[in-house]
Amino acid sequence: QVQLVQSGAEVKKPGTSVKVSCKVYGYTFTTYGISWVRQAPGQGLEWMGWISAGNGNTNYAQNFQGRVTMTTDTSANTVYMEVMSLRSDDTAVYYCARDRDSTGYYDFWGQGTLVTVSS
Amino acid sequence: QSVLTQPPSASGTPGQKVTISCSGSSSNIGTNPVKWYRQLPGTAPKLLIYDNSQRPSGVPDRFSGSKSGASASLAISGLQSEDEADYYCAAWDDSLNGPFFGGGTKLTVL
Repeated sequence: QVQLVQSGAEVKKPGTSVKVSCKVYGYTFTTYGISWVRQAPGQGLEWMGWISAGNGNTNYAQNFQGRVTMTTDTSANTVYMEVMSLRSDDTAVYYCARDRDSTGYYDFWGQGTLVTVSS
Repeated sequence: QSVLTQPPSASGTPGQKVTISCSGSSSNIGTNPVKWYRQLPGTAPKLLIYDNSQRPSGVPDRFSGSKSGASASLAISGLQSEDEADYYCAAWDDSLNGPFFGGGTKLTVL
């Protein structure tokens, strides 16, 4: 069955970067894109960007342009999301989600990765 | 400030019907399909409704979605204690070139 399995929790210092992975199972990797959505403690959902698993095209949210990079490894059925120049307000749970039509139709989600930014 | 506006909270008693609203604009809900997600505490969101009113397989018909103009709503009938969760609407925004979520509505079953 379809599963998205994310890498484990991370603790990072301000100014450093973090790379979170999302490995997919149960469908042809290149068929659908993957979006990343984050949720700060006690807050709502925030879309960060999308990557096509077919050709690597990306669409980043304005708030994250220049600070986030999304990549794919087709041989490993894995998508990566790197956030650079981390700040304390980047502390959040980061989710990957399969995007059926690249417009926010997320039918399967990863379990989430907690990234804590603290000095 | 979210692009889509939801009430922060809603409540109902078991068996009741509850409606959660989501207000947007012509650049998002007014022209693009709405999705609804449910998030139980400590878990990832789950898709409840897509294309304004369609339910993925496995979602009970107690959940229904509708849209009129630049507003949408999610109705939950036959409220159950396990419906206590956060509910989010979402839609693509043509001006901002991305999908955006409402701020979320915390549903309490009294």
